Amino acid sequence: NAGVTQTPKFQVLKTGQSMTLQCAQDMNHEYMSWYRQDPGMGLRLIHYSVGAGITDQGEVPNGYNVSRSTTEDFPLRLLSAAPSQTSVYFCASSKYDRINYGYTFGSGTRLTVV
Amino acid sequence: DQQVKQNSPSLSVQEGRISILNCDYTNSMFDYFLWYKKYPAEGPTFLISISSIKDKNEDGRFTVFLNKSAKHLSLHIVPSQPGDSAVYFCAASPNFGNEKLTFGTGTRLTIIP
Repeated sequence: NAGVTQTPKFQVLKTGQSMTLQCAQDMNHEYMSWYRQDPGMGLRLIHYSVGAGITDQGEVPNGYNVSRSTTEDFPLRLLSAAPSQTSVYFCASSKYDRINYGYTFGSGTRLTVV
Repeated sequence: DQQVKQNSPSLSVQEGRISILNCDYTNSMFDYFLWYKKYPAEGPTFLISISSIKDKNEDGRFTVFLNKSAKHLSLHIVPSQPGDSAVYFCAASPNFGNEKLTFGTGTRLTIIP
């Protein structure tokens, strides 16, 4: 099992550019989420999905879009990159019993916006 | 407003001794708590969880204690091993089906051989 796969691992963008961070999981998990990790802030939820076709906003959704057309994929789109979006982004997936089994995280995408 | 707080950014413990990582929360609606471990350049890995109906949960060397009246939980690692050196995050959720985990800022644990 590959688990949760995130691409790319590193990315540098110029202010105003757009891009898509890819996330795929092969565990048939219903739930998928995107988090960002910033120094001194812990992980903060950006968007999440409880199944194909269903998405909702997390704590810090501004500047990001998501869609969930399949169970496996949950891409995160940056519409117009800003320096404040410089961060490490983690995608996570879980089955329904995520309290007892937790989330499976990808290895992260380190994004720098200049 | 940090609803989940890990006030110790770092902790060093001798190999073989007990490591105790602490976490405090302010939101009385939180009912489920999880601990994650993170190595550099990797995603967090789930360790152990506890619900508010319990005050203790064990899994091998890891035990989580919950004091709901004090809004405090702790993770005990006994005995500590060099591979336990990592950043540990606690996280909280208001209910079983809620997707919105709130994470603390993490504690970097270093095990000294």
